[in-house]
Amino acid sequence: NAGVTQTPKFQVLKTGQSMTLQCAQDMNHNSMYWYRQDPGMGLRLIYYSASEGTTDKGEVPNGYNVSRLNKREFSLRLESAAPSQTSVYFCASSEAQPFRGYTFGSGTRLTVV
Amino acid sequence: KNEVEQSPQNLTAQEGEFITINCSYSVGISALHWLQQHPGGGIVSLFMLSSGKKKHGRLIATINIQEKHSSLHITASHPRDSAVYICAEAPGAQKLVFGQGTRLTINP
Repeated sequence: NAGVTQTPKFQVLKTGQSMTLQCAQDMNHNSMYWYRQDPGMGLRLIYYSASEGTTDKGEVPNGYNVSRLNKREFSLRLESAAPSQTSVYFCASSEAQPFRGYTFGSGTRLTVV
Repeated sequence: KNEVEQSPQNLTAQEGEFITINCSYSVGISALHWLQQHPGGGIVSLFMLSSGKKKHGRLIATINIQEKHSSLHITASHPRDSAVYICAEAPGAQKLVFGQGTRLTINP
């Protein structure tokens, strides 16, 4: 009954530090996504992976890298964190066809000081 | 550019009131999604619809494809309905484009 699991739930980084947000899904979904959510704005797509072995940039990819390690796991890396990357990050997954929407992880609240 | 606009951004009502949240989108879509984000942050899907109306319990979602407009209604609202409600369009490429959300507060 896990669905989409994100770790960690909370993180505080200093400017310039690096970290990786982990995401794993157990629903055998082909597609996975990373979004960020900022106050007053809708969820914005950072990167997505339509299938294992492929990744594509979304709306706000600068400052991030991703790895689709296998069908289950899709990680998001911040190489040199900046205060502008303070946000809540959500991982999601979906079936490719038919597309019925996303299953979301519980989110990671990241603060960069 | 895909744009999804929701109104109102914030809504406060008394328990029992009928609630309407509106969503307008700018491009042709394959489906319109409504989601709920709980105060603790988790996001769950409520509806996916491409025409007409869907109902689940006290929640009703409608869509007018010609007018590019959807509404989410809550009948007999309850404090546990307090959450952020988000609409999202699926323009057809397996990705959702999200509105900014409507924060609903139902007071007892």
